[in-house]
Amino acid sequence: GENVEQHPSTLSVQEGDSAVIKCTYSDSASNYFPWYKQELGKRPQLIIDIRSNVGEKKDQRIAVTLNKTAKHFSLHITETQPEDSAVYFCAATHTGGFKTIFGAGTRLFVKA
Amino acid sequence: DAEITQSPRHKITETGRQVTLACHQTWNHNNMFWYRQDLGHGLRLIHYSYGVQDTNKGEVSDGYSVSRSNTEDLPLTLESAASSQTSVYFCASSEGEAGYEQYFGPGTRLTVT
Repeated sequence: GENVEQHPSTLSVQEGDSAVIKCTYSDSASNYFPWYKQELGKRPQLIIDIRSNVGEKKDQRIAVTLNKTAKHFSLHITETQPEDSAVYFCAATHTGGFKTIFGAGTRLFVKA
Repeated sequence: DAEITQSPRHKITETGRQVTLACHQTWNHNNMFWYRQDLGHGLRLIHYSYGVQDTNKGEVSDGYSVSRSNTEDLPLTLESAASSQTSVYFCASSEGEAGYEQYFGPGTRLTVT
């Protein structure tokens, strides 16, 4: 069935360093790849997304890259800050519908 | 302001009881989703709906049901609650053709004893 794998499950970085989270998906019909951030006790919120016709997208300190051939996409956070500490989820959405499969999440710790 | 709400926010129930979790959105979104969140599993899709009278099974639908009688609401029913259904449940909605972003409700923490 459809599956999204996310690595690493936990990531600890020093403030100011970069963080990279990687995901792979199985359904070649996926065409939309969002990233959600979930702070402790809060709801997930979209931070950036990318569609299948784009290879890279950037929004200030965060960027996402997509390799459709390899079915692989990544989140890059530069100049990390303590407030970036949270759980990050990648996801893949199926073409022609809106069903979304999420990865298991990455807990990011940014040490001051 | 438009929003998505869930009730109750916390619930404790006993094994075997029927439980219904409410989800209400005021964005007039066509698509609505129910997820459960468990440590190590992320968000797993239970059921989803693309519009009134439409419902579909997700990854982990056994033991759950939904109905969509209007645009605003998608209640989730646990027919006979089991301890394995102890989890945090999130409802979400999305606009559909105009955008894929899902907006999540605040979550319901359900404990089955």
